[in-house]
Amino acid sequence: KAGVTQTPRYLIKTRGQQVTLSCSPISGHRSVSWYQQTPGQGLQFLFEYFSETQRNKGNFPGRFSGRQFSNSRSEMNVSTLELGDSALYLCASSLEGPPGSYEQYFGPGTRLTVT
Amino acid sequence: GENVEQHPSTLSVQEGDSAVIKCTYSDSASNYFPWYKQELGKGPQLIIDIRSNVGEKKDQRIAVTLNKTAKHFSLHITETQPEDSAVYFCAASPNSANAGGTSYGKLTFGQGTILTVHP
Repeated sequence: KAGVTQTPRYLIKTRGQQVTLSCSPISGHRSVSWYQQTPGQGLQFLFEYFSETQRNKGNFPGRFSGRQFSNSRSEMNVSTLELGDSALYLCASSLEGPPGSYEQYFGPGTRLTVT
Repeated sequence: GENVEQHPSTLSVQEGDSAVIKCTYSDSASNYFPWYKQELGKGPQLIIDIRSNVGEKKDQRIAVTLNKTAKHFSLHITETQPEDSAVYFCAASPNSANAGGTSYGKLTFGQGTILTVHP
């Protein structure tokens, strides 16, 4: 079974621009979570989607948004990029089902550099 | 919200020795505790996890113990090998069925431990 895939793997953007990152979960997984990883703050939760609905959101500004499609693929968008948005953005997928499956499997990440 | 503390931040061992990494958490509602290994240029890889209804779980050279009363859990790696060198993260999460909207998909991570195994 193929793992979580993320595209693109590397991205360089300029301050003020916007960016869209894509994530394809493991086949059959319906929950997708996004995390930001930086050396200073570590791994921080951005948001989670399930069946095209955002069920949870972390403490990030509104410039960070996401969506999920009917095939469970997800995208996240960052508008008006700031230098501090430079990070590794990780997507994780999970198989949701009663009584609740918790295992999250991560993709390789997208390395975003803002100049 | 949940807060996870992880120690040590770096750990250096000789091949064949054991390595132990410890984490504490703050939210008594947390009941799922995974451990991830992250190698350079890769995403975190789930290596073992434990739920609050068990105190210990083993998988070959890796074991995890959980003390719910003290709110701490530990990763034990025996007979370490150079390929075990990586950054290890602990995490905690409440049961989404009980905690509802504040917990879905959210893992709270420790700050990571850089493990180096010397040949």
